[in-house]
Amino acid sequence: DVKVTQSSRYLVKRTGEKVFLECVQDMDHENMFWYRQDPGLGLRLIYFSYDVKMKEKGDIPEGYSVSREKKERFSLILESASTNQTSMYLCASSLDGRAFFGQGTRLTVV
Amino acid sequence: GQQLNQSPQSMFIQEGEDVSMNCTSSSIFNTWLWYKQDPGEGPVLLIALYKAGELTSNGRLTAQFGITRKDSFLNISASIPSDVGIYFCAGQLLSGGSNYKLTFGKGTLLTVNP
Repeated sequence: DVKVTQSSRYLVKRTGEKVFLECVQDMDHENMFWYRQDPGLGLRLIYFSYDVKMKEKGDIPEGYSVSREKKERFSLILESASTNQTSMYLCASSLDGRAFFGQGTRLTVV
Repeated sequence: GQQLNQSPQSMFIQEGEDVSMNCTSSSIFNTWLWYKQDPGEGPVLLIALYKAGELTSNGRLTAQFGITRKDSFLNISASIPSDVGIYFCAGQLLSGGSNYKLTFGKGTLLTVNP
């Protein structure tokens, strides 16, 4: 089975902090994604990566950056957290069009 | 970004009933996926569809890839309480350089009354 692991289930951070969300997949997938999920808005793509050190902006990249130094790891960075970044963050990796998700990180910015 | 229209937004059914939900798009997709999400968890892949007209089953779940490549439906037969959750459709765009990018519907919230 594909396993996508996100480093934290729950995080509480203060406004202005730099936040790192880590994601690791164990199936050698080339494509990895970060989504955020908010009530009524569904899943929205923040960034994705199709290879090591390669990244592309998704639909809502503002306020975020990413890092893909190794194939198995894709990190989402909030340079200066704000309260409107309180959300559920979901990482995924994909093969042959099938995306597999991690368990999610519920981030609260206070 | 691209939008998928998923309906209905929510459903309340009795245990044992059959359920149907669908997704439509103005764009052509070459892959359709259906996911289920339990509260506080990540979405879990239920069914993947790769060819127009394809009909695929996974236990009590059946999904079809529309002939026009612009729609898909998911049926659940003989629902049980553990079917409760949010069901998402997702499509992978056929054209463009970002053809590994998925677009998601907004989900169907299913409630099953025992």
